[in-house]
Parts: sequence; structure tokens; C-alpha cells
Amino acid sequence: AQSVTQLGSHVSVSEGALVLLRCNYSSSVPPYLFWYVQYPNQGLQLLLKYTSAATLVKGINGFEAEFKKSETSFHLTKPSAHMSDAAEYFCAVMGYSGAGSYQLTFGKGTKLSVIP
Amino acid sequence: ETGVTQSPTHLIKTRGQQVTLRCSSQSGHNTVSWYQQALGQGPQFIFQYYREEENGRGNFPPRFSGLQFPNYSSELNVNALELDDSALYLCASSLSTSEQYFGPGTRLTVT
Repeated sequence: AQSVTQLGSHVSVSEGALVLLRCNYSSSVPPYLFWYVQYPNQGLQLLLKYTSAATLVKGINGFEAEFKKSETSFHLTKPSAHMSDAAEYFCAVMGYSGAGSYQLTFGKGTKLSVIP
Repeated sequence: ETGVTQSPTHLIKTRGQQVTLRCSSQSGHNTVSWYQQALGQGPQFIFQYYREEENGRGNFPPRFSGLQFPNYSSELNVNALELDDSALYLCASSLSTSEQYFGPGTRLTVT
């Protein structure tokens, strides 16, 4: 079974500072990993995905994530935070749930606050 | 390209009632997954439909059921509503095992 742990339920950064959101996964098979963002009262928007190609994955809005198998990590970074980055971020791993079904297992989320 | 849409946006039901939530998948996508997101939590997988058949289910009781139609749209039905069913219900569409794209969700409140 797959699982995801997001370290830090709430992260605050100053505008222009580095954003680092941590995600560790557990998977018995090579994982497909995802980061989603959720703005208040909205659904989830896909930021980026790792599907066993390049270990450094670039996504939308200047975000990127690095897959490190030895550390079972997939941390999300952005060099310079913008006020519009304030949202909740979810890390997810895709796993097989039987009968040809692939489900996403999500972490509990990290709320990012950006201080002007 | 039309994204994933869900209806209604919000609804309020009484404990014991039944509810139906609807989802239209993104154009070209043949797979629909449903997730429940309780307040302050990450989404949890309810079930997935592929070509009108349920082909995977999370840890949810049978009173959670669904349908997928020939146009790949889908419904989530919940019978005998309980207070703990209050949540944001998210629908996601995908092309088989590819990445999932989410709709805006339906906020269900059970009183």
C-alpha cells in the first residue's frame, strides 16, 4: 500500500523567499508522484507530476520538485514566493487498487502563507 | 477543451436523506474517480469508474454508490446520510492511468 507524509501542516514564508514544502512517500513499487494546489473553496489543480523520467520535475507557476529515491522524498520548491502562491498544497502517490483501478493517496496537506 | 464540471456547488441535506452528485468529465477522458475531502484533510478515494464499470473502491461503505454513463459523465449517490458525510466531494477525470484532473467540487452539509 502507498502512503504520503507531508511535514508541516502550515508553512509561512516572506514574499520573495524560497518556498520548500516537504513530502515523503511509501510505495512498494516505483511510484508516480504528484503535487496539487488547492485555493480556498476550489478543487485541486495539478502542479506537476513524476512518472519515472527525469528526477527533477518542473511544473506550473515556477514550481519544481525533485524525486530522491534514497530519501523516499518528493519535496516541492519555488525560488521566490509570490502572494498568489498562498494556498494549500497536497502531495499524492498513485497506486493500484485492484481491477485495473489506479487511485491517488494524498497527504494531509500543507497550508502555505506568504507574508508581504 | 472543457474541464471537469460538478453540480451542484453546494447543498444541505438532513441526516438519513439520500443525495446525488454529478460530474462531467473532461473531453476525451474515459475514467472518473470520486474523492471525499473532510475539512482540514486530504482527499480520500471513494471509487473509480472506467467504461461504465466500478473498477476500484476505497474504504467506504456500500451506501456510497455510483454510476458512469456512456458519455463518461458520472454520479455519486449516498444513502442514509450521516453527519460525518459532510465534506467536499471531488470528481476527477483521466485517460485510463494518466494524471487526474479535478473539478471544483460539491460542498455537502448534513444537518
